[in-house]
Amino acid sequence: SQKIEQNSEALNIQEGKTATLTCNYTNYSPAYLQWYRQDPGRGPVFLLLIRENEKEKRKERLKVTFDTTLKQSLFHITASQPADSATYLCASLPFSGGYNKLIFGAGTRLAVHP
Amino acid sequence: NAGVTQTPKFRILKIGQSMTLQCTQDMNHNYMYWYRQDPGMGLKLIYYSVGAGITDKGEVPNGYNVSRSTTEDFPLRLELAAPSQTSVYFCASSLGTSSSYEQYFGPGTRLTVT
Repeated sequence: SQKIEQNSEALNIQEGKTATLTCNYTNYSPAYLQWYRQDPGRGPVFLLLIRENEKEKRKERLKVTFDTTLKQSLFHITASQPADSATYLCASLPFSGGYNKLIFGAGTRLAVHP
Repeated sequence: NAGVTQTPKFRILKIGQSMTLQCTQDMNHNYMYWYRQDPGMGLKLIYYSVGAGITDKGEVPNGYNVSRSTTEDFPLRLELAAPSQTSVYFCASSLGTSSSYEQYFGPGTRLTVT
């Protein structure tokens, strides 16, 4: 079955460091990958989208990479701040899919310590 | 511009009761979705709609029903509630065109069935 996996263990880092989160997919080829931020008790909020023919996308302190050989996307937050603490969800649309029906990972919780 | 709104925020149901979760968006999006989110799991698609009068099942539709009589509203109906339906429910909408694939989420409804 089509699966998308994220590290279930929380990532704890020091303020100012770069946080790197991983998203791996199996048994399908994504047309694109999306990253969302989710705060406790709230709905996910869209951050970035990267298409299968793009290697890298940037937005302010955020960077996403897409490696179709490794079947992996990496999400980086540079100069991290305590306000970046949240759960980050990876989502993808398979090439075989449609109507923007996304497959979501379970998310990785990031804690940035002062 | 309120985005996606959901009511109620919280609800406790007894086994066998029924209820409707309301979802409204004011962005004139054609695509709308219902997800459930269980602890440690990714968002699972229950039902989706690509326009008024058009709905289809997602990954976990059993025990749920939907309707879409207008572009703005996409209610989710739970018939004969069961403890397995205890979850957080999110409604989302999307423009769905190649220029805008991001999904906009509501704040969620936390449902407990006892």
